[in-house]
Amino acid sequence: NAGVTQTPKFQVLKTGQSMTLQCAQDMNHEYMSWYRQDPGMGLRLIHYSVGAGITDQGEVPNGYNVSRSTTEDFPLRLLSAAPSQTSVYFCASSSLGATSGNTIYFGEGSWLTVV
Amino acid sequence: GNSVTQMEGPVTLSEEAFLTINCTYTATGYPSLFWYVQYPGEGLQLLLKATKADDKGSNKGFEATYRKETTSFHLEKGSVQVSDSAVYFCALSKGGSYIPTFGRGTSLIVHP
Repeated sequence: NAGVTQTPKFQVLKTGQSMTLQCAQDMNHEYMSWYRQDPGMGLRLIHYSVGAGITDQGEVPNGYNVSRSTTEDFPLRLLSAAPSQTSVYFCASSSLGATSGNTIYFGEGSWLTVV
Repeated sequence: GNSVTQMEGPVTLSEEAFLTINCTYTATGYPSLFWYVQYPGEGLQLLLKATKADDKGSNKGFEATYRKETTSFHLEKGSVQVSDSAVYFCALSKGGSYIPTFGRGTSLIVHP
């Protein structure tokens, strides 16, 4: 059972470089999202999607782009990396359905350092 | 809007001690409530949940009861183990709003 798969696990970038964090899920979930986790800040939502071709901004979208061309994949792009983007990034997914009791499934995280 | 408040950590306990991590929420209507756990170096995973008032969620010896009257969902365990050391997140979600609301997390450290 793969669940939510994120790559890479670790990455070091130089300021100004761009990169893409990959996220794939095999549970046919409509909802996918990206969070960043920083010490003392909890989880902050970057972008989310409720289906292929539909994306929207979360709490901290600046400096990040997303697209959703398929149900399975939801890549996160850093356009021009900045030291403030040093963080741990989590991709998450869930089914939508009529009930609010749907579990969120998380990937194992991507540790990004911008120097 | 919706919000979740958790007690500040870290919570430090000796093995076999009793654990309570407080969680209160603000939301209209009847949200579903969750506890997620994050072990070191890993992503969050569901620990337990409750979808209506007075429901009790339980898993791995942990329990939490959905208290509508006090808008609370406190996490408890009768006897913690070193392997329970992790960060615990309280969360809520509501029908019609697919974006869950997370608390800031509470770190639990259990010493042998």
